[in-house]
Amino acid sequence: QEQLQQWGAGLVKPSETLSLNCAVYGGSFSGYYWSWIRQPPGKGLEWIGEIDHSGSTNYNPSLKSRVAMSLDTSKNQLSLNLGSVTAADTAVYYCARRYVHIVVTFDLWGRGTLVTVSS
Amino acid sequence: DIQMTQSPSTLSASVGDRVTITCRASQSINIFLNWYQQKPGEAPKLLIYAASSLQSGVPSRFSGSGSGTDFTLTISSLQSEDFATYFCQQSYSSTFTFGPGTKVDIK
Repeated sequence: QEQLQQWGAGLVKPSETLSLNCAVYGGSFSGYYWSWIRQPPGKGLEWIGEIDHSGSTNYNPSLKSRVAMSLDTSKNQLSLNLGSVTAADTAVYYCARRYVHIVVTFDLWGRGTLVTVSS
Repeated sequence: DIQMTQSPSTLSASVGDRVTITCRASQSINIFLNWYQQKPGEAPKLLIYAASSLQSGVPSRFSGSGSGTDFTLTISSLQSEDFATYFCQQSYSSTFTFGPGTKVDIK
């Protein structure tokens, strides 16, 4: 069964870089866009950006200056780096698969990783 | 960015109730609207895509309607497993945005 497994540091110091990884198991990696979406505690969802199997990226303009996404196709893995973090970046971070059901949807999600920004 | 709003923010209901949640976009998004359900500690789950199409495996008591700027998610007969938070999401713009969520809790 297809699943996304996430891992990464759960505590990051202010001004440092948040780094997360996501691996795709049981399904195809190529042919899809892969997104990162975050959710601050008790709040709504914010789309961070996406990367396709060729490495082409599309970032949320509000975060573009601090975000970098990459992938390792040999391992079916994608990565997120978010630089110069502050407390406002504290959130649960999800990786998700973009799937086009007539319109763009997010049909497969990782379980989420809570990242806390604190000294 | 296209801004999404939802109402109400919280809804108290009983098992068996018919429940309706509204989502509004800041500009016309045609039918580029999806609905997700999220339970505490879990990732969101896709329920409805393209405003009214039911995702595979989702019970038929869930339905969606609308186009342009105004959309609704309806649960025809609320079940205990439906107590959760519901988010709408637009994909008309390539900067995808979500509504703030509607929490459905037990009356």
